[in-house]
Amino acid sequence: RKEVEQDPGPFNVPEGATVAFNCTYSNSASQSFFWYRQDCRKEPKLLMSVYSSGNEDGRFTAQLNRASQYISLLIRDSKLSDSATYLCVVTRSGGYNKLIFGAGTRLAVHP
Amino acid sequence: DTEVTQTPKHLVMGMTNKKSLKCEQHMGHRAMYWYKQKAKKPPELMFVYSYEKLSINESVPSRFSPECPNSSLLNLHLHALQPEDSALYLCASSQAGAGGSGNTIYFGEGSWLTVV
Repeated sequence: RKEVEQDPGPFNVPEGATVAFNCTYSNSASQSFFWYRQDCRKEPKLLMSVYSSGNEDGRFTAQLNRASQYISLLIRDSKLSDSATYLCVVTRSGGYNKLIFGAGTRLAVHP
Repeated sequence: DTEVTQTPKHLVMGMTNKKSLKCEQHMGHRAMYWYKQKAKKPPELMFVYSYEKLSINESVPSRFSPECPNSSLLNLHLHALQPEDSALYLCASSQAGAGGSGNTIYFGEGSWLTVV
């Protein structure tokens, strides 16, 4: 079993749609949680950190449930520019951050 | 724009060549990383340097040799690579220390490596 598992995708949605991505992690020692976005042939870029209390950044809302070891990302009012691969990431630390990536979920927003 | 700079952006090398990938950051970060990413796959950790010392080697073949000359620089020396080593090589950095939402990892734009 992979340490971080995500919805397989791809998600094809029209502009304006709301889309939700789910992610589960298996290691209860995981300490930090993130969503990264990666455009085609580009580097991963941090979209947002994920907190137990939930956090929102504009059209994006992230949730963490430590008891269920579950992370989610909700995108409201999808834009064409949201088309990318969304990577669920958890970390374990020890003087550094070891990022463990999920396989990613591809989102394609169409007109 | 990323504050982690990688050179070269593209590299084509033969299986007998010796080449190096370079990475530089000036954010004062004390942890630096090399990741490898194949097409349609997530990045996979190769090496972690913490305070200029190698902390993690994820069982990477010896044909990949990392070097951290100082806290701002990270190199990846390549020798006798195989075609299957062709991939995007990503450098990243973060403030060293325990995990936390403030300890974000920043990636460079990557070096596209093709081994022929």
